[in-house]
Amino acid sequence: AQKVTQAQTEISVVEKEDVTLDCVYETRDTTYYLFWYKQPPSGELVFLIRRNSFDEQNEISGRYSWNFQKSTSSFNFTITASQVVDSAVYFCALTRQTGANNLFFGTGTRLTVIP
Amino acid sequence: DAMVIQNPRYQVTQFGKPVTLSCSQTLNHNVMYWYQQKSSQAPKLLFHYYDKDFNNEADTPDNFQSRRPNTSFCFLDIRSPGLGDAAMYLCATSRGTGGRYNEQFFGPGTRLTVL
Repeated sequence: AQKVTQAQTEISVVEKEDVTLDCVYETRDTTYYLFWYKQPPSGELVFLIRRNSFDEQNEISGRYSWNFQKSTSSFNFTITASQVVDSAVYFCALTRQTGANNLFFGTGTRLTVIP
Repeated sequence: DAMVIQNPRYQVTQFGKPVTLSCSQTLNHNVMYWYQQKSSQAPKLLFHYYDKDFNNEADTPDNFQSRRPNTSFCFLDIRSPGLGDAAMYLCATSRGTGGRYNEQFFGPGTRLTVL
């Protein structure tokens, strides 16, 4: 069975602080994909990143970076120099390589950036 | 810009009165999904279409039906809405299932209120 755990329900930071959102997953598959989505108050889920289980390289995109560690089954997301516009709910998700394309979502982390 | 469009953004219906939510896409993707997201919860997959093939999740109530008359459009029909069906309904698309084509693109959602 697939499972994604986001232990942090809510996080508040002051603008310009760095913040890391944790994601731990469970799967018996050897090949799988991990995702992060952002859901601002408007409701739309915005795709941020997809990572293949064979690609453990960390990735940086502007102020965003992701740390994928298979040894600990974690796929953490760091926002550097946070901004008010980063306030949103962030979901980590997992999908399998083949078959049904169900996105297994974590319960989300609500990030509030205080000006 | 290619996108996923949902209409209406807000829908109010009465208890037991059938309602239809609409989703269209300009991405020409093969797969279209419907998710239900209740307040402070992760999105939950209801069903998806791969082309014309309908795939229902095992725990999706019979009260929820879907139609996909062509590649671009997909509808969610709630035959007899109950108070527990009040939620955000998200439509998503992907080029395929599994592998490199499994990235899902989401629409802005329709927030359903049941009176």
